[in-house]
Amino acid sequence: DTGVSQNPRHKITKRGQNVTFRCDPISEHNRLYWYRQTLGQGPEFLTYFQNEAQLEKSRLLSDRFSAERPKGSFSTLEIQRTEQGDSAMYLCASSLRQENTGELFFGEGSRLTVL
Amino acid sequence: DAKTTQPPSMDCAEGRAANLPCNHSTISGNEYVYWYRQIHSQGPQYIIHGLKNNETNEMASLIITEDRKSSTLILPHATLRDTAVYYCIVMEYGNKLVFGAGTILRVKS
Repeated sequence: DTGVSQNPRHKITKRGQNVTFRCDPISEHNRLYWYRQTLGQGPEFLTYFQNEAQLEKSRLLSDRFSAERPKGSFSTLEIQRTEQGDSAMYLCASSLRQENTGELFFGEGSRLTVL
Repeated sequence: DAKTTQPPSMDCAEGRAANLPCNHSTISGNEYVYWYRQIHSQGPQYIIHGLKNNETNEMASLIITEDRKSSTLILPHATLRDTAVYYCIVMEYGNKLVFGAGTILRVKS
């Protein structure tokens, strides 16, 4: 499979616990994006990387959220001290082009449920 | 904030053309019109984008009005598998995609 891969697909956790999601982009794609989607809403931008550099972070990304992309390949999104409001689908997308032309390839997402 | 207006939902008969409208009256000269769709429980899928001219690919056609204030995505022969949320987005190259609520398209047999 050469698509964007996200793991785990589903995560149920208790409030206050930490969770980490992993995204493996399409090989050689240098841009990687994280979005969050709640029920009935469109995806909301969280952050993006150009290779290993994190170039933009949304104000939605509180201090409890951290994203990394070591070596410019896979990326992780960690949420510390989860809250019920963090329950959402976390989507990863990648893009090949040096300049963002808006053609993103999305993974199937990681669904988080915080009890 | 999303810069587009789309109807919340639409129905289409299987085998007929689905025409999804989008208003983007404040679009600027450097902004492209993008369409994505999201089938239930999947990530969004890129469909097509354009600047001024009409565009066509294997999935759909994009018709942009001459003043660029609105556009229509056309699925020529809708199937049940086209049932999804369709997002119209305007974006300048180099910026990030900002999704609105989209249009729920229901294709019915």
